[in-house]
Amino acid sequence: EIVLTQSPGTLSLSPGERATLSCRASQSISSSNLAWYQQKSGQAPRLLIYGASSRAAGIPDRFSGSGSGTDFTLTISRLEPEDFAVYYCQQYGSSLTFGGGTKVEIK
Amino acid sequence: EVQLLESGGGLVQPGGSLRLSCAASGFTFSSYAMSWVRQAPGKGLEWVSAISGSGGSTYYADSVKGRFTISRDNSKNTLYLQMNSLRAEDTAVYYCAKTLFMGTVGEDAFDIWGQGTMVTVSS
Repeated sequence: EIVLTQSPGTLSLSPGERATLSCRASQSISSSNLAWYQQKSGQAPRLLIYGASSRAAGIPDRFSGSGSGTDFTLTISRLEPEDFAVYYCQQYGSSLTFGGGTKVEIK
Repeated sequence: EVQLLESGGGLVQPGGSLRLSCAASGFTFSSYAMSWVRQAPGKGLEWVSAISGSGGSTYYADSVKGRFTISRDNSKNTLYLQMNSLRAEDTAVYYCAKTLFMGTVGEDAFDIWGQGTMVTVSS
């Protein structure tokens, strides 16, 4: 099973700042089969990025994904108030697993 | 509008059974693999099970293999999860989720999620 480790566990930032979230896999993920989700309290997850770097429909361009192999990054260029949430990475190259999540909180 | 609506959650005793349903609308249900994903209170996401569009292929997480059964009725646009021998550690919100691309067998990102249904296993 591919284990995904997200860091940091919590990111404290102010609106307008840049957020950089990391997702590291225990083994290489084939074909960059990695996705990122945003989840707000009491809501279902929302797909942001698939294929490591492709934005899902309706996702603002301040969200971007990068990486390959075992190291992936989600970047939010300028945090908006609605971006404070928990973010999960997911790999779907070998079965399906999720990372433990990164909480982006208001500083 | 593409929509998924889960039902069937509730309180059940350890060792008991429960069947969850997920009604789909707004897309060609039979063309997409579907999954169940759960989230224990205050915890992260855990993939539980997946089924291909035709229903001919099914996949399970080790934590539920042999206890849970995923199925679908494409004539009713409905996904199911039969949960037997339930344990306290199965307590979670259960989400159904649609795969992003047609024709995949389940290993895919999820672009549409239901609102979730809570399952509580407790005596």
